[in-house]
Amino acid sequence: DAGVIQSPRHEVTEMGQEVTLRCKPISGHNSLFWYRQTMMRGLELLIYFNNNVPIDDSGMPEDRFSAKMPNASFSTLKIQPSEPRDSAVYFCASSSAESGPQHFGDGTRLSIL
Amino acid sequence: QKEVEQNSGPLSVPEGAIASLNCTYSDRGSQSFFWYRQYSGKSPELIMFIYSNGDKEDGRFTAQLNKASQYVSLLIRDSQPSDSATYLCAVNESGTYKYIFGTGTRLKVLA
Repeated sequence: DAGVIQSPRHEVTEMGQEVTLRCKPISGHNSLFWYRQTMMRGLELLIYFNNNVPIDDSGMPEDRFSAKMPNASFSTLKIQPSEPRDSAVYFCASSSAESGPQHFGDGTRLSIL
Repeated sequence: QKEVEQNSGPLSVPEGAIASLNCTYSDRGSQSFFWYRQYSGKSPELIMFIYSNGDKEDGRFTAQLNKASQYVSLLIRDSQPSDSATYLCAVNESGTYKYIFGTGTRLKVLA
């Protein structure tokens, strides 16, 4: 079975540009999570969805970040405008139940110059 | 602030030995506990989960949970150099479906 699929794998862009990260969860999973990982702060939950509905976005750092899940097989995380401090690895994870084991995608390594 | 604490390491063990990784958590209401392995530059990979007090074994891995003492551990028997990675402990936050991750323990298995 295909795992969680994220794109792009790497993104390098200049400060001020819009960045869109994409995620396709495992088929049949109804919960989706967006994380950010840095050396300083470790793995942080940004937002999670259950049945396509955002449940908790308290980890979203500021209004420059937004996330959507228009259907069960696709989610986006957008940063506009991007800043150098947004540089990190962004992971998407999904689970078959809100409390079940989460499975991670390969991540997007984002560098903002 | 609910926390999950791990010793950052590195924890060095010789090949063939038992590696013992520990994690403590502050949220008494937590019900689900997970261990992830993360190789450098890769994503976290789920290796064990445990919900009940006691031991759970899967191959060379054993997860141990003690809710009264609020700790969870991972034992790796017959450690191999390929086990060298960072091991992340994750605990669900009670009343939510969020995980709180520890900062991870770096394990080095010496050939």
